[in-house]
Amino acid sequence: GQNIDQPTEMTATEGAIVQINCTYQTSGFNGLFWYQQHAGEAPTFLSYNVLDGLEEKGRFSSFLSRSKGYSYLLLKELQMKDSASYLCAAMDSNYQLIWGAGTKLIIKP
Amino acid sequence: GAVVSQHPSWVICKSGTSVKIECRSLDFQATTMFWYRQFPKQSLMLMATSNEGSKATYEQGVEKDKFLINHASLTLSTLTVTSAHPEDSSFYICSEERGQGPYNEQFFGPGTRLTVL
Repeated sequence: GQNIDQPTEMTATEGAIVQINCTYQTSGFNGLFWYQQHAGEAPTFLSYNVLDGLEEKGRFSSFLSRSKGYSYLLLKELQMKDSASYLCAAMDSNYQLIWGAGTKLIIKP
Repeated sequence: GAVVSQHPSWVICKSGTSVKIECRSLDFQATTMFWYRQFPKQSLMLMATSNEGSKATYEQGVEKDKFLINHASLTLSTLTVTSAHPEDSSFYICSEERGQGPYNEQFFGPGTRLTVL
């Protein structure tokens, strides 16, 4: 079956760096998405990786290893507003998104 | 700014009543829109794919007679929860895809929180 695994919750300190891991198993693969979702709100797009390697976008970076079925989202210089859930989603061979349950990130001062 | 709107943002209804949720694409003609449901602390679950001018495609386990989807125009899709029960209480989110090829970014509406008493 198809499956996405990511930690349920993580805690980090303001100004620090945090890495949120995601492993996936899908029927075929057409890319890996990361979305941010604040409580009670809809998800917003953060990044897309389809090739191996690191994609950097400001304070956020996303990494993909297709051979390992693994991705991570790296958040630098954490701010209190980064407190949110981070959703990992893999696109399968039918271009359908398979969603993880999300990682709740708690930022402490 | 927002590209997808949903109405209402939240609704409380009595068990047995029907609730209609609207999803509008604000600046894009969306032939396809998606309806998701999200229970607390759980992942987004795709309910159905809404196709303009044709029948929606429902995911396995989603009752098409209970969750009526209408996509009558390129900018509006509606989800009607018929005879709602407390277990239907959830966060309902619509989205549209933009782009071509494998990189189809999904733009989500703000969601509708449904509470059935």
